[in-house]
Amino acid sequence: SQQGEEDPQALSIQEGENATMNCSYKTSINNLQWYRQNSGRGLVHLILIRSNEREKHSGRLRVTLDTSKKSSSLLITASRAADTASYFCATDPFNTGGFKTIFGAGTRLFVKA
Amino acid sequence: EAQVTQNPRYLITVTGKKLTVTCSQNMNHEYMSWYRQDPGLGLRQIYYSMNVEVTDKGDVPEGYKVSRKEKRNFPLILESPSPNQTSLYFCASSQRTDQPQHFGDGTRLSIL
Repeated sequence: SQQGEEDPQALSIQEGENATMNCSYKTSINNLQWYRQNSGRGLVHLILIRSNEREKHSGRLRVTLDTSKKSSSLLITASRAADTASYFCATDPFNTGGFKTIFGAGTRLFVKA
Repeated sequence: EAQVTQNPRYLITVTGKKLTVTCSQNMNHEYMSWYRQDPGLGLRQIYYSMNVEVTDKGDVPEGYKVSRKEKRNFPLILESPSPNQTSLYFCASSQRTDQPQHFGDGTRLSIL
């Protein structure tokens, strides 16, 4: 499997602090996406970054992509208790024609009020 | 409201009894996909479909079948379920593969 890997597996922070999660992958990609999942519910899309982009922002979210290192990071600034969830990165490997989606194992974020 | 609908949400059944999990989307999306989620493994893709009558295997297709006779529906079929298929299943759709996927709420299957 070409599964990506998230780091750390779990993260516990205080409300107001920043949270950084990292994702590494193995093969060249077309784009990388980050999703959030609340406790066994369906995944919700957060942000998509294309292989020719290096950084993207959406509200309190900042995503970076380093294709030379095959890695991405998701930064959540000024975290809130409502940000408590699991976060997954997903890639579509270039050599699959973009049709396959490979998810990482996820980072569980716990934000303490 | 744009949504992906899966049924059933929960199912407990026995080994060998054929079952179908339905998935329907109302966004006219071309791309649909099935995933299973197991603790510590994230989501693994079972099958995907690029359009009507076009399907292909993901990373873990063994023991599953799919069909795409209509654009909106993408059922997942377990012909002879086994306990190792006990999992949380998600259906997702997107207009194209480079677009965000919309996920259903999941189906929790327990095969005894």
